[in-house]
Amino acid sequence: DQQVKQNSPSLSVQEGRISILNCDYTNSMFDYFLWYKKYPAEGPTFLISISSIKDKNEDGRFTVFLNKSAKHLSLHIVPSQPGDSAVYFCAARRNSGGYQKVTFGTGTKLQVIP
Amino acid sequence: DTAVSQTPKYLVTQMGNDKSIKCEQNLGHDTMYWYKQDSKKFLKIMFSYNNKELIINETVPNRFSPKSPDKAHLNLHINSLELGDSAVYFCASSQAGNYNEQFFGPGTRLTVL
Repeated sequence: DQQVKQNSPSLSVQEGRISILNCDYTNSMFDYFLWYKKYPAEGPTFLISISSIKDKNEDGRFTVFLNKSAKHLSLHIVPSQPGDSAVYFCAARRNSGGYQKVTFGTGTKLQVIP
Repeated sequence: DTAVSQTPKYLVTQMGNDKSIKCEQNLGHDTMYWYKQDSKKFLKIMFSYNNKELIINETVPNRFSPKSPDKAHLNLHINSLELGDSAVYFCASSQAGNYNEQFFGPGTRLTVL
């Protein structure tokens, strides 16, 4: 049961333009949503999060939007830079037996073209 | 300084063998995790330990046995390896109570022949 879905396996964007990465989820019990970034041969690194009670969170060039009614979130990167080229994982957190469990999507590979 | 390290980086072995992957973190975190990323790129939680105690076990076959000798280490031992165990295994850690920001190791690519 894939509770966090990233339907676009890849995305190409010109440098300086906006990158929009999308994510859908099915479980209403998620209380936090996260984005991680992964370079080849490295582990994922945390990028940004948003609480389920918010609809927007911004950190520099990165903004995450949450639409709870649609069970959809998106990560906006503006302006996109070549160094942003990586795989971006959407993830969601929920309580599991008193602890928090994080469920990841399958990732979207972003290529920023100089 | 490497925050979360895993050894080995690559592991190639025959079906039926037993192998271990080691993980160490020098961040002083209380919680450690093992994730499996399969060929379809799903990154799935396998185990989570908090202060050396198992807190999450995601219906992983009992051929997989995590061991946490201390808070800084979480090793993964796999018995009787099968073809389907081929994957990239990631270790991660986080500060107690902060499950959002997990720090991942570089991964161990396991290939079972």
